[in-house]
Amino acid sequence: AQKVTQAQTEISVVEKEDVTLDCVYETRDTTYYLFWYKQPPSGELVFLIRRNSFDEQNEISGRYSWNFQKSTSSFNFTITASQVVDSAVYFCALSVYGGATNKLIFGTGTLLAVQP
Amino acid sequence: DGGITQSPKYLFRKEGQNVTLSCEQNLNHDAMYWYRQDPGQGLRLIYYSQIVNDFQKGDIAEGYSVSREKKESFPLTVTSAQKNPTAFYLCASSTPGDKNIQYFGAGTRLSVL
Repeated sequence: AQKVTQAQTEISVVEKEDVTLDCVYETRDTTYYLFWYKQPPSGELVFLIRRNSFDEQNEISGRYSWNFQKSTSSFNFTITASQVVDSAVYFCALSVYGGATNKLIFGTGTLLAVQP
Repeated sequence: DGGITQSPKYLFRKEGQNVTLSCEQNLNHDAMYWYRQDPGQGLRLIYYSQIVNDFQKGDIAEGYSVSREKKESFPLTVTSAQKNPTAFYLCASSTPGDKNIQYFGAGTRLSVL
């Protein structure tokens, strides 16, 4: 069975602090994909990143970076120099290759509050 | 602008009533999905559809029904059999040509009167 665990329910930081959101996943499949989505107060989920199981390179996009470690089944997300606009719920998700579709298994989300 | 449109934004259901949530996409995506989100929980898959006139149950399909008569549209009906319908409903779509990344609409918040 597949499972995603986001142990941090809520995190509060002050603007300009760095913050890391943890994600631990479980799957027996060798081919799988990991995702991060952002859900601002408006409700729409915004896609941030997709990583496949064969690519363990870390990725950086502006103030965002992701650390994928298969040895610990983790796919952590770091925001550097956080800003108030980063306040949102962040979801980590897992999918197993299924051909034409992509059934996502979501974690319970981490609510990030960035205080000015 | 390409995207996914969900309507209405807010919906109220009376006891014993069926209600239908609309989801339309102009991204030319093949697959469409419906998720339910409850407070403090992740999203759970209700139904998904890979092509027109075909759909499959997700993890929590009981009390819901869907149709896929057009590629652009995937409406979700919350039937009276769904005893706890209050939730936030999100529609998504994807295509293999874009790595099957799911893109989401803005959601519909359903409450029971």
